[in-house]
Amino acid sequence: KAGVTQTPRYLIKTRGQQVTLSCSPISGHRSVSWYQQTPGQGLQFLFEYFSETQRNKGNFPGRFSGRQFSNSRSEMNVSTLELGDSALYLCASSLDSGPYGYTFGSGTRLTVV
Amino acid sequence: QKEVEQNSGPLSVPEGAIASLNCTYSDRGSQSFFWYRQYSGKSPELIMSIYSNGDKEDGRFTAQLNKASQYVSLLIRDSQPSDSATYLCAVSLGSGYSTLTFGKGTMLLVSP
Repeated sequence: KAGVTQTPRYLIKTRGQQVTLSCSPISGHRSVSWYQQTPGQGLQFLFEYFSETQRNKGNFPGRFSGRQFSNSRSEMNVSTLELGDSALYLCASSLDSGPYGYTFGSGTRLTVV
Repeated sequence: QKEVEQNSGPLSVPEGAIASLNCTYSDRGSQSFFWYRQYSGKSPELIMSIYSNGDKEDGRFTAQLNKASQYVSLLIRDSQPSDSATYLCAVSLGSGYSTLTFGKGTMLLVSP
């Protein structure tokens, strides 16, 4: 059974650019959540999508956005990148909305220079 | 502000010993509690979940929950060098609430 797939694995961007990250959940999983992980702040919740609807949003600026497609694949977008956006971005999928059996992807390591 | 607190460590234990990892949380409405293990350079992996007061055992792992004290712990018996990792405590309000609030993790080092 394929796990959660995140692409790309690594990304280097310049300040001011925008970036799109992709997440394909485990087959049958309808909930996709995104987290940002940094050494200083740890794992912080960005947003959750369930059946193409954003259900919850964390305390991040509007530069961070996301969406979910009908096949449950999700993308997150960060516009006007700042140096502080350098982090590991993790996507997690679960069968239903609710914290049961979260499976994380391998993450996308974003470096902003 | 919901907070989850963990000692950052590192917690160093010899092989074969019991490792005890602790976590406190601020939101009394929290209903679901999780322990994730994260190896360096890897993504978090769910190892235990607990929803009611008391102990829950799974192999060498035991999760303990005390909602009155707002305290969760993870015991690892017969610790192995392969258990060396960062252990993340995560808390959620429960059913229908998928958002997890994570602690910053405790690094565990098991020496042979």
